[in-house]
Amino acid sequence: AQTVTQSQPEMSVQEAETVTLSCTYDTSENNYYLFWYKQPPSRQMILVIRQEAYKQQNATENRFSVNFQKAAKSFSLKISDSQLGDTAMYFCAFSWNNNDMRFGAGTRLTVKP
Amino acid sequence: DTGVSQDPRHKITKRGQNVTFRCDPISEHNRLYWYRQTLGQGPEFLTYFQNEAQLEKSRLLSDRFSAERPKGSFSTLEIQRTEQGDSAMYLCASSLAGGLGSYEQYFGPGTRLTVT
Repeated sequence: AQTVTQSQPEMSVQEAETVTLSCTYDTSENNYYLFWYKQPPSRQMILVIRQEAYKQQNATENRFSVNFQKAAKSFSLKISDSQLGDTAMYFCAFSWNNNDMRFGAGTRLTVKP
Repeated sequence: DTGVSQDPRHKITKRGQNVTFRCDPISEHNRLYWYRQTLGQGPEFLTYFQNEAQLEKSRLLSDRFSAERPKGSFSTLEIQRTEQGDSAMYLCASSLAGGLGSYEQYFGPGTRLTVT
């Protein structure tokens, strides 16, 4: 079974500081994709960053980067220079067959001024 | 392109009534997905289409649920004889199958269903 676990229901960070959100997953697949999605309050889900499992290099998108540890099945998201607009639910997601996507339960991040 | 759109954004219905939601994907996307999201949880996969063919259905999709994508463009999700447990946000997403980025799904704003 493919599962995604986010062990931090809520986190907070001061504006301009760095925060890391954790995600682990379980799969027997070798080729798959991992994602972090952001869902701001009352707004739609948007893709933050994507990582292909066959790539060893960690993905980065401006202030967002991941630490992908394939052997440990870990996929954490680091947000640098946190901004008030980063306040949102963050979902880790896993897709292995391009058919469906499995999501974690989410981490509610609050950026404090 | 304006992205994935869903209609209505909110629906309140009485238990036992039927409801239908619509999703318009990004125009060039051939795959369309439906998810259900309950409060405090991540989205759960319900079903997906490639063009007009419904290729997979989750066991979460009971026989009261039916989805269609008749012309491979927009899709509808119907829930018959609604129950209070059906109250949730119903999310639609679309993607372009094949090639780099094909695993990337773009989500709509969702339809929030409340069954009273």
